[in-house]
Amino acid sequence: GAGVSQSPSNKVTEKGKDVELRCDPISGHTALYWYRQSLGQGLEFLIYFQGNSAPDKSGLPSDRFSAERTGGSVSTLTIQRTQQEDSAVYLCASSLVHGVRGGNTIYFGEGSWLTVV
Amino acid sequence: AQRVTQPEKLLSVFKGAPVELKCNYSYSGSPELFWYVQYSRQRLQLLLRHISRESIKGFTADLNKGETSFHLKKPFAQEEDSAMYYCALGASGSRLTFGEGTQLTVNP
Repeated sequence: GAGVSQSPSNKVTEKGKDVELRCDPISGHTALYWYRQSLGQGLEFLIYFQGNSAPDKSGLPSDRFSAERTGGSVSTLTIQRTQQEDSAVYLCASSLVHGVRGGNTIYFGEGSWLTVV
Repeated sequence: AQRVTQPEKLLSVFKGAPVELKCNYSYSGSPELFWYVQYSRQRLQLLLRHISRESIKGFTADLNKGETSFHLKKPFAQEEDSAMYYCALGASGSRLTFGEGTQLTVNP
C-alpha cells in the first residue's frame, strides 16, 4: 500500500480481555516499530523488528505485551489481560532499512486507539 | 541515557507572528535530531531533520551542540501550522526518543 496501515483504528475493550493490533508496513520496508502515545505524554518506544526478529523489545511495559512479525511484513501487537492504563494510541511505523541515522526515514501509521473500560 | 525535553505543552501565537518551539536533548554521543508534526486527524510525519539543513514549510531548526538544543523556528506563522510538534532524537540502535510534544495554535 501507499502507507503504513493499522487496524483496528479504534478498539474499546473490557478490562481483563486480550486485544490484538495489526500493522501492515510499507511494502519492502525491513524495519518495523511499535510506539505508544498516551494522553499528555510523548511517544514511548515499545519494540522494533528487523525482518521477523526483534533485536530490541526493551520498551514493552510488561509481560502482558508481546509482538510478532511474520513473512517480514505484517506485525501483530498483543496485549493480554488489558488494564485501564493500557488505554492509548498504539502507533506502528516502518522504514526501508534499519536505523534512524543517515537519512533513513521512519513512516508512521495512523494508529490504533485503544480504550480499556 | 537519551532524553528529549519540550518545555512547552501548549503554544499560541497570532498569524504572521514568529514562532519558536523549544527542544533540548540529553545524549553523550553524536545525535541526530528530528522534528515530527501531527496535524489534526492525520498521521505523524517527518517535518525536518538536522542533517538535511533544509527549510520545510518555512520552518528551520539548527542543532546547537553547546546548548544541546534543536529549536524549531518560523518567522511568520500561518493558521495551517496549527498542529502537534514532536522533537525526536535518534541515537543508539534504531529507536527514536521523542519529547512530550508541543501543541501549536496559530490564531487568525
